[in-house]
Amino acid sequence: QVQLRESGPGLVKPSGTLSLTCAVSGDSISSSNWWSWVRQPPGKGLEWIGEIYQSGTTNYNPSLKSRVTMSVDKSKNQFSLNLSSVTAADTAVYYCVRDAGYRSSIDYWGQGTLVTVSS
Amino acid sequence: DIQMTQSPSSLSASVGDRVTITCRASQRISNYVAWFQQKPGKAPKSLIYAASSLQSGVPSKFSGSGSGTDFSLTISSLQPEDFATYYCQQYNSYPRTFGQGTKVEI
Repeated sequence: QVQLRESGPGLVKPSGTLSLTCAVSGDSISSSNWWSWVRQPPGKGLEWIGEIYQSGTTNYNPSLKSRVTMSVDKSKNQFSLNLSSVTAADTAVYYCVRDAGYRSSIDYWGQGTLVTVSS
Repeated sequence: DIQMTQSPSSLSASVGDRVTITCRASQRISNYVAWFQQKPGKAPKSLIYAASSLQSGVPSKFSGSGSGTDFSLTISSLQPEDFATYYCQQYNSYPRTFGQGTKVEI
């Protein structure tokens, strides 16, 4: 059974950098899947942030592209998200997900982690 | 970006009802649509991919259809555990985009 678990600070100061890690179990980060981040502001809908492949190839949402960096760590079977210059608008539950692409789209979700941007 | 517009935004239904939610894309996206179910305080759950294929373990009371720009999710007989918010998503092009959600209430 594939499991994903997000970890990272729950509180980030404005203008700081939000950093999250997603630990993957039940699958290899080197498998033929994309590893993605999706966020959800409190009481609102879902927003796709971007994705990364095992090779390091990335696709980011243009609305966030200037502030987003994703990376993979094959030795730890995990991937990460950095979002810089955060504001209160970045307060959200952040989900890491496995995306099988055109084979079967997003199939597994992490439980999510709330990140609040506040001083 | 491709806009995904769901309708209705919310609906009230009873146990045993057949419910259909629609999703319209702002341009043609073949059949690259997924559907997700989210209960309050929980992560979304993947239901359907490629417009009509069920994810592993998803009961057959859920079905999806459509191609091009118009898609739908149907729940054949609503049960108490089905009351939730449902989202569509296109994965035909970048950035991936979601519909605004449809809340199914009792």
